[in-house]
Amino acid sequence: DQQVKQNSPSLSVQEGRISILNCDYTNSMFDYFLWYKKYPAEGPTFLISISSIKDKNEDGRFTVFLNKSAKHLSLHIVPSQPGDSAVYFCAASENAGGTSYGKLTFGQGTILTVHP
Amino acid sequence: GAVVSQHPSRVICKSGTSVKIECRSLDFQATTMFWYRQFPKQSLMLMATSNEGSKATYEQGVEKDKFLINHASLTLSTLTVTSAHPEDSSFYICSAEGSSYNEQFFGPGTRLTVL
Repeated sequence: DQQVKQNSPSLSVQEGRISILNCDYTNSMFDYFLWYKKYPAEGPTFLISISSIKDKNEDGRFTVFLNKSAKHLSLHIVPSQPGDSAVYFCAASENAGGTSYGKLTFGQGTILTVHP
Repeated sequence: GAVVSQHPSRVICKSGTSVKIECRSLDFQATTMFWYRQFPKQSLMLMATSNEGSKATYEQGVEKDKFLINHASLTLSTLTVTSAHPEDSSFYICSAEGSSYNEQFFGPGTRLTVL
């Protein structure tokens, strides 16, 4: 049972344009959502997160939107740069407490390619 | 950000042998470490959670006798794949969480190939 789904395996965008990566989830108990970026042969690196009590969080070129009623979140990257080309994973945690996100459930990832 | 290393980065072994993978937090104390497994074009699947000095908590469907996890210190956790078989071939990634951070830092992963 895939509780976190990224239905687009890949996305291709022109440099300078907006990249929108989507993620859907089924578990209504998730209370934190995170986006990670992964280059080949490297571990995922944290990008941005959002609490379930918010609908938007912004950090520089990265903005995450959360639609709880639709159980959907998206990551917007604007403007996109060639260095953004990587695999992006959506992840969710349940009962995150204190300083810990705890156990993470990941989506399948979306390969983003930004063309110069 | 904090750094997590894994060793080896790549290992090839014969079927029936055991393989040990190390995960180290280099510049912080990891109170909790997580072990994930990733199949090609699939998501990272959590295998187990380990806290320093206590037994690991395994996810449903993960054989604890096959995937031995030891978190003996605040900077080191090991995953031993015992009696490895070709179906154990995968990409294994660890992550570490410290008391001062609210995120997990991931290692670069270990590619295991069992012949």
